[in-house]
Amino acid sequence: EIVMTQSPATLSVSPGERATLSCRASQSVSSQLAWYQQKPGQAPRLLIYGASFRATGIPARFSGSGSRTDFTLTISSLQSEDFAVYYCQQYSNGLTFGGGTKLEIK
Amino acid sequence: EVQLLQSGAEVKKPGATVKISCKVSGYNFTDYYMHWVQQAPATGLEWMGLVDPQDDETIYAEKFQGRVTITADTSTHTAYMELSSLKSEDTAVYYCAPGLATKSWFDPWGQGTLVTVSS
Repeated sequence: EIVMTQSPATLSVSPGERATLSCRASQSVSSQLAWYQQKPGQAPRLLIYGASFRATGIPARFSGSGSRTDFTLTISSLQSEDFAVYYCQQYSNGLTFGGGTKLEIK
Repeated sequence: EVQLLQSGAEVKKPGATVKISCKVSGYNFTDYYMHWVQQAPATGLEWMGLVDPQDDETIYAEKFQGRVTITADTSTHTAYMELSSLKSEDTAVYYCAPGLATKSWFDPWGQGTLVTVSS
């Protein structure tokens, strides 16, 4: 099973600043990686698929990059509604999720 | 607009079985695989399995094999996930989500169904 490791577990950032979240796979997943945002009491929402393609309706401030084992989700200028938990998911070999990064207001 | 409406919260005793439904609207039910994901406090998000509504083919995660049954009813555009021999560790929110393939991202997700296992 491919293990997905996200870092940091918690990230404190001020509104308007940039946030950079990391996701590492235990073996190559090529570009078969997705990112989700989850707010309390809500289902996860797809942000990015194929490592770098924004899902429909996702603002341009969200961007994904990386390939093989190392991936990054960048939020260029944090808005109040962006503070949430973010998960990565690989779909190259099986389907596994990372443990999440909680993005909190500094 | 694609919508997935899941059945309501359940409280079950250890050893019991729970069956959750997921009614789909806004897309052709047979065009997408229906996946199920567990979100438990201790283990986070875990993929449980899927059904292909076109031919009822199923694939289950090894962890849940033998305890989970996923089905689809094309006449009502509804998918079901049944989990048996419930344990306290199965206390979790369960989500349905369509995927383009057996290995896929998920978009959108159902609203989730909380299952509480307690004696």
